[in-house]
Amino acid sequence: NAGVTQTPKFRVLKTGQSMTLLCAQDMNHEYMYWYRQDPGMGLRLIHYSVGEGTTAKGEVPDGYNVSRLKKQNFLLGLESAAPSQTSVYFCASSLGIGRINSPLHFGNGTRLTVT
Amino acid sequence: EDQVTQSPEALRLQEGESSSLNCSYTVSGLRGLFWYRQDPGKGPEFLFTLYSAGEEKEKERLKATLTKKESFLHITAPKPEDSATYLCAAIGNQFYFGTGTSLTVIP
Repeated sequence: NAGVTQTPKFRVLKTGQSMTLLCAQDMNHEYMYWYRQDPGMGLRLIHYSVGEGTTAKGEVPDGYNVSRLKKQNFLLGLESAAPSQTSVYFCASSLGIGRINSPLHFGNGTRLTVT
Repeated sequence: EDQVTQSPEALRLQEGESSSLNCSYTVSGLRGLFWYRQDPGKGPEFLFTLYSAGEEKEKERLKATLTKKESFLHITAPKPEDSATYLCAAIGNQFYFGTGTSLTVIP
């Protein structure tokens, strides 16, 4: 049982390049999330999805796009990377917000550097 | 404004020296609070869920408690392997994360 798997683990981009971060979960969770984690800022929500085919904006959505074509996958895209997007990106999944025994399950992150 | 504040930012303990980490919150419609452990280069790992004031949960040397305004993570007789960053997250209409407490336990 892999849980939440993120690829790639590391990536270096030049300003203006694009890329897609992949997230897959095998727990049949309805909700999936993308967070970024920066020193002193904690985890900040970028986008989330409450089910297949749905997406919604979080706290810091600018410069990112997402897609949830299949229940088990949630993709995060950067169309034109900027140095301010240098961060560690975490994908998470859960049964639903506030449901009993429904914590967030996190992947191990993607460390992205934009030069 | 809904927010979660953790203190201290960093804590160094001698092995066996018990202490507590604090998570204070102002979240409207609080539905619960999570505690996570995060090791360097890893994602947060779920520890506890607390749903109501007065509730307590224990796991090995860790005990989490919840009041109407804050939660504490008590660490009893810590060992070096307890060194990690501990995050709390309050559940309102979304998850509100604190910035964590970095715990170092010195042998």
